[in-house]
Parts: sequence; structure tokens; C-alpha cells
Amino acid sequence: DGGITQSPKYLFRKEGQNVTLSCEQNLNHDAMYWYRQDPGQGLRLIYYSQIVNDFQKGDIAEGYSVSREKKESFPLTVTSAQKNPTAFYLCASRTPQGETQYFGPGTRLLVL
Amino acid sequence: AQSVTQLDSQVPVFEEAPVELRCNYSSSVSVYLFWYVQYPNQGLQLLLKYLSGSTLVESINGFEAEFNKSQTSFHLRKPSVHISDTAEYFCAVIFPSSGGYQKVTFGTGTKLQVIP
Repeated sequence: DGGITQSPKYLFRKEGQNVTLSCEQNLNHDAMYWYRQDPGQGLRLIYYSQIVNDFQKGDIAEGYSVSREKKESFPLTVTSAQKNPTAFYLCASRTPQGETQYFGPGTRLLVL
Repeated sequence: AQSVTQLDSQVPVFEEAPVELRCNYSSSVSVYLFWYVQYPNQGLQLLLKYLSGSTLVESINGFEAEFNKSQTSFHLRKPSVHISDTAEYFCAVIFPSSGGYQKVTFGTGTKLQVIP
């Protein structure tokens, strides 16, 4: 089945630690996105990539980094510079026609 | 500024009653409009979308939304809700932009709670 997978489902981060969230898609979509979801705030865009080896900052990129070495993969690293990382992180990819986004199941990041 | 507003953060409704979830946006140009649904601890799923054509769009599970250009609204409705409709609903808008990138802006979400 085609779709988007995210792992792990839950992730715990210690203070000062970098952690990486995985996002993989087999939909053959060029564009991929990372969003952060906090209660009552909707979804906020962290980073997006429209093509392999290219990515752009979204609205809240500080404290995060990404890479796009393969079309199928768009990992997100939450660095120690992100002081409030506790949130639900959603990865998405977009259809070639450019309108509909498909979402993964999400990763919940918690701070120890 | 371009924005999407969902005024109701929570909407309680009795089972089999009708419901309307409101979405308004600010834009003077054409936009694409979407409703997504999110069940607890899951990702978002597309419910329905308006790109062009008929202003009334329907989903397979009985929801419908009507694009109203004059009121810049895209309200979601269902004539009779079921317990399984309990979820959070997000309105989303694609505003046209230069440079080929179409940014999706999401509303803050409305939690629909269906009461037995």
C-alpha cells in the first residue's frame, strides 16, 4: 500500500540531546513537509522540500534541521537549540498536481 | 494578511443532530479550500476539497461543504452526526503565491464531540 510512515510513534529527548524523526513515503511525491502541532494552535510549518537536495525554512524553523538526500525520505532533527520541543510532529507529502497533502501518523516528542 | 479562522474550538452535539463547523478565510484572490479530519493520536486525513467548479462538495461519509466567495467561507456540515464523527476538524487554505510554492495555511481546529 502507498502511504507515509513516521517513526518512532513516541520519542523521548533528554536535555541537550539531538533527536531525529523519520519520515518515509512511497507515493512518488516530490514535495514533503514537516509540521508541528500544539493544542489549540493548529499546524505550523517547520520545513518543506519541493525536490531532492533542496529544502526551505517554514514559519518556525529555529532549533530544527532537515535533509532531503532521497525522494522518499525527509528526516527532521530536533536540536538542543529547540527549547520547547514537546509537541506532535506530522510529516506530509503533496500530490504532483500540487493541491492535496497526505499525512503520516505522527510522532509525539516528549522531554525527560 | 492571509489567514484562516475557525472560531469554534469545540462543538458538542447530540448523536443524530445536525452540525456546522465554520471556516472563514481572508483573501481577495482565488484559493483552494480543504477540510481535514484528525482522530486522536493520528495524522490528518483529507475529508473534502474545493478547487473549482461546483461550490458544493461532498465526502463519502455524509459531510458536505459549500464555498461562498462573497462571504469568504467554507463551512462544513452534516445533517446527522454519528458517534464515530467525534474528532478534530481542520480547515486549510492554499493561497496563491509567487515562486511556484503554494503554502497551505491551517486553521486552529474544531473539536467535534458527539454526545450519545
